[in-house]
Amino acid sequence: NAGVTQTPKFQVLKTGQSMTLQCAQDMNHNSMYWYRQDPGMGLRLIYYSASEGTTDKGEVPNGYNVSRLNKREFSLRLESAAPSQTSVYFCASSDGQGNQPQHFGDGTRLSIL
Amino acid sequence: AQSVTQLDSQVPVFEEAPVELRCNYSSSVSVYLFWYVQYPNQGLQLLLKYLSGSTLVKGINGFEAEFNKSQTSFHLRKPSVHISDTAEYFCAVSDLTRRALTFGSGTRLQVQP
Repeated sequence: NAGVTQTPKFQVLKTGQSMTLQCAQDMNHNSMYWYRQDPGMGLRLIYYSASEGTTDKGEVPNGYNVSRLNKREFSLRLESAAPSQTSVYFCASSDGQGNQPQHFGDGTRLSIL
Repeated sequence: AQSVTQLDSQVPVFEEAPVELRCNYSSSVSVYLFWYVQYPNQGLQLLLKYLSGSTLVKGINGFEAEFNKSQTSFHLRKPSVHISDTAEYFCAVSDLTRRALTFGSGTRLQVQP
């Protein structure tokens, strides 16, 4: 049982390059989330998708776009990468109710030079 | 708006000693409370959650937490830690309407032999 799978695990980009981070879950969850983790700041929500076909901004959406491709997949795109976007990115999924825990992938470590 | 404060960024402790990791939250609505653990180079795993009912919640790996509504706290405790408990611990809150988690900045637990 894979849970939440993120690809790639590591990536180095140059400033201005674009990239898409992929996320897929096999738990039939309705909701999916993208967070970024920076030292001393915990995890901050970038975008989320409450259900297939919907997406909403989180706390730090600037510089990112998302696509909920189907119920399983939720991708995060950086159109023009900036050094401030160097971070560890986590995808998560849940049943979509506030009382249900989220299940996390292992993260994508992204460095932008 | 919700916020979570983890009062200690690092907690060093000797093996087999007790430990308490502190978490305070702020919210204008009722919330659900979670503790997650992150081992090096991994995603987050759920330790325990408080939804309602008994204010003392037991989780995995011998951890427990107590919800205190009057003090808006949800402190995590373990009576005797092991080297394998070395990790970063995150407190988080959610509510029904927001459907996403608000995280604290994390506490790094360092268990020394």
